[in-house]
Amino acid sequence: EDKVVQSPLSLVVHEGDTVTLNCSYEVTNFRSLLWYKQEKKAPTFLFMLTSSGIEKKSGRLSSILDKKELFSILNITATQTGDSAIYLCAVQYGGSQGNLIFGKGTKLSVKP
Amino acid sequence: DGGITQSPKYLFRKEGQNVTLSCEQNLNHDAMYWYRQDPGQGLRLIYYSQIVNDFQKGDIAEGYSVSREKKESFPLTVTSAQKNPTAFYLCASSIHAVLQETQYFGPGTRLLVL
Repeated sequence: EDKVVQSPLSLVVHEGDTVTLNCSYEVTNFRSLLWYKQEKKAPTFLFMLTSSGIEKKSGRLSSILDKKELFSILNITATQTGDSAIYLCAVQYGGSQGNLIFGKGTKLSVKP
Repeated sequence: DGGITQSPKYLFRKEGQNVTLSCEQNLNHDAMYWYRQDPGQGLRLIYYSQIVNDFQKGDIAEGYSVSREKKESFPLTVTSAQKNPTAFYLCASSIHAVLQETQYFGPGTRLLVL
């Protein structure tokens, strides 16, 4: 059965800390892995990863994919209270049903 | 502005009532999706449509119905057969359903049962 597992499920840190969020997956015909940030409403797109070992960066956020070990990490450095959100990992696969499987998310709380 | 709109923002349903959630996109995307999100859960796929006049069941289609008569519109009906409809519903779209593409999401509709 195809699945995406995120860890930890929740995390509380203080401003300025660095955090690492994990996403492991088991799917057939892997195509890409996506990270989303969800605050109060709809998820917003962060990164799309297709190749192993190539880091993608956007400001204080970065992410990398390991297709051999079947996982990805999302790093956030110098966290701010505005980073508080649920971070969703999703895997796009080549099957015919729906095309995308989501993990349960990691809830990040950044305290001032 | 290009994007995906969902309405209403909040919707209340009475027992035995069918309700319809609206999703419209002006991105000229071929594929559209409906997801359900429950607290502590990931997004789960209800239905998706790769092209006009065609749609497929997702993982939790029971108690829901959809139509895709126009490219820009993909309404979701929550029928009385859905016994636990209280959830946050997200609509998404992508250029195609087959290629490696990002899905873009609407703002969501929160459905509550009275």
